[in-house]
Amino acid sequence: DIQMTQSPSSLSASLGDRVTITCRASQAIRNDLNWFQQRPGKAPKRLIYDATTLQSGVPSRFSGSGSGTEFTLTISSLQPEDFATYYCLQHNTYPRTFGQGTKLEIK
Amino acid sequence: EMQLVESGGGLVQPGGSLRLSCAASGFTFSSWSMSWVRQAPGKGLEWVSYLSSTGTIYYADSVKGRFTISRDNAKNSLYLQMNSLRVDDTATYFCATGGGYGSWGPGTLVTVSS
Repeated sequence: DIQMTQSPSSLSASLGDRVTITCRASQAIRNDLNWFQQRPGKAPKRLIYDATTLQSGVPSRFSGSGSGTEFTLTISSLQPEDFATYYCLQHNTYPRTFGQGTKLEIK
Repeated sequence: EMQLVESGGGLVQPGGSLRLSCAASGFTFSSWSMSWVRQAPGKGLEWVSYLSSTGTIYYADSVKGRFTISRDNAKNSLYLQMNSLRVDDTATYFCATGGGYGSWGPGTLVTVSS
């Protein structure tokens, strides 16, 4: 199985900050990686697919980069609604595997 | 707009069974692969199972032999039959579209407890 190592597990930041979350795959997965945002009590929402493509309707302050084994999600200027938990998911191979999650909190 | 709504969750004793349903609307359900993902209380996301539009099926090792995924295209519905339930199957279960998980339902809570 492919292991997805996501870091950090939690992050405190202020409004307007630029933040970066990283996912590392235990083996190369091309660009077969998605990023999700989950607010408490809600279903996950896809932000980025295929590592770099912004989901329709998602603000442009979100961006994704990477391929192979290392991937990043960047939020360029934090807004109040961005404080949530973020997950990466590899969709290269079954079983699909998620990162452990990054909880983004207000400093 | 794609819409998914799960149902069928509830409280069940260890060793019991439950059947979850996912009602789909707003898209051509028969053309889409579908998946189940779960989330234990306070924990991360765990992929459970996948069913393609042509019948290819995958399961997580943790549910293989106990859970069965199926679909009824005439009813625009996805199902998850869960047998031999264990306490660690307690989770909110989400259905999601495709292999990329672009759309999700709100989830249904399954609690396995005596």
